[in-house]
Amino acid sequence: QKEVEQNSGPLSVPEGAIASLNCTYSDRGSQSFFWYRQYSGKSPELIMFIYSNGDKEDGRFTAQLNKASQYVSLLIRDSQPSDSATYLCAVTGGGNKLTFGTGTQLKVEL
Amino acid sequence: DAGVTQSPTHLIKTRGQQVTLRCSPKSGHDTVSWYQQALGQGPQFIFQYYEEEERQRGNFPDRFSGHQFPNYSSELNVNALLLGDSALYLCASSPRGGGGNIQYFGAGTRLSVL
Repeated sequence: QKEVEQNSGPLSVPEGAIASLNCTYSDRGSQSFFWYRQYSGKSPELIMFIYSNGDKEDGRFTAQLNKASQYVSLLIRDSQPSDSATYLCAVTGGGNKLTFGTGTQLKVEL
Repeated sequence: DAGVTQSPTHLIKTRGQQVTLRCSPKSGHDTVSWYQQALGQGPQFIFQYYEEEERQRGNFPDRFSGHQFPNYSSELNVNALLLGDSALYLCASSPRGGGGNIQYFGAGTRLSVL
């Protein structure tokens, strides 16, 4: 079982819709949870981080964490073509090592 | 305010050679982490440096070594290069006092081993 699992996609959504990206993790001791966006040929860009159960909102982005079910999700409201990218979920445990999933490719269609 | 800067941007080496990659953290950051990202994969943690010492290491062989300087900049050295070392090498820095888990990436160095 992979430590951090994501559906590779592609996930296609129409412009203006809500995109929902999901991630599960295997280590119950995981403490911090991150979403990065990576455009093709570029480096990962930090979008959100969340530490506690519940929702955290920042502009069009909402991160949701459920530690009991070991999943974290990212919602993107009013999706734009510029949101088309690969979204990487990452978690940390007791140390500062980020463990990444393989990413979900999001395509926002006009 | 410059972000995390890495050099060089691209590098081509042959098997068996050695390579040094460089990273300057963002202003106000004191912790540097290195990752390797193969095509189609998520980044894999190599190690993290804080106060000029390796604080944590991932599952990479001893051919991968690093250093952090008093100005917080860092180097990644890879010896005896293998074809499988071809990847995007990412440096990430973390804010001072933040514990090192919030990490901001540089643009990366793309290494090709022929």
